[in-house]
Amino acid sequence: KAGVTQTPRYLIKTRGQQVTLSCSPISGHRSVSWYQQTPGQGLQFLFEYFSETQRNKGNFPGRFSGRQFSNSRSEMNVSTLELGDSALYLCASSFPPGPSYEQYFGPGTRLTVT
Amino acid sequence: GDSVTQMEGPVTLSEEAFLTINCTYTATGYPSLFWYVQYPGEGLQLLLKATKADDKGSNKGFEATYRKETTSFHLEKGSVQVSDSAVYFCALSDQNAGNMLTFGGGTRLMVKP
Repeated sequence: KAGVTQTPRYLIKTRGQQVTLSCSPISGHRSVSWYQQTPGQGLQFLFEYFSETQRNKGNFPGRFSGRQFSNSRSEMNVSTLELGDSALYLCASSFPPGPSYEQYFGPGTRLTVT
Repeated sequence: GDSVTQMEGPVTLSEEAFLTINCTYTATGYPSLFWYVQYPGEGLQLLLKATKADDKGSNKGFEATYRKETTSFHLEKGSVQVSDSAVYFCALSDQNAGNMLTFGGGTRLMVKP
């Protein structure tokens, strides 16, 4: 079974631009969550989608948004990029959503903002 | 809100040494607890989990016991290998927060031959 895939793996953008990251969950998984990983703040939850609906959102500004499609693939968008948005963005999928169920992480997208 | 505190690293051990990485948590509900491992350049892999008090999670020689009375979930391994060198994250998921994982800061483990 293929794992969680994220595209692109690496991205370099300039301040003020916007970026879209993509995540394809494991086949059959309907819940997708996004996390930001930085050396200073560690791993922080961005948002979670289940059946195309946002179920939960972390404490990030409105510049960060996401969506989920009917095939469970998810995208996240960051508008008006800032230097502090440089991070590894991780996507995780699980079949039923719920705290007891394992979440499978993708390899991440490394975003560098210059 | 929920939080996870784990010992800062790096932790440097010789091969075959005993490993303990401390993790304590604060949660309003009855969380599930996890240990994830991250190898260089990769995403996170679930190492083990425990969903209720006194549960012991174990995998690949690692184990951790859910201690509700001390709000702890310490990771242990009896004999580490060079291949165990990675960053280890303790995390919790609260039943009131859907799939959201709250992570500790991570502990880098370096195992020398």
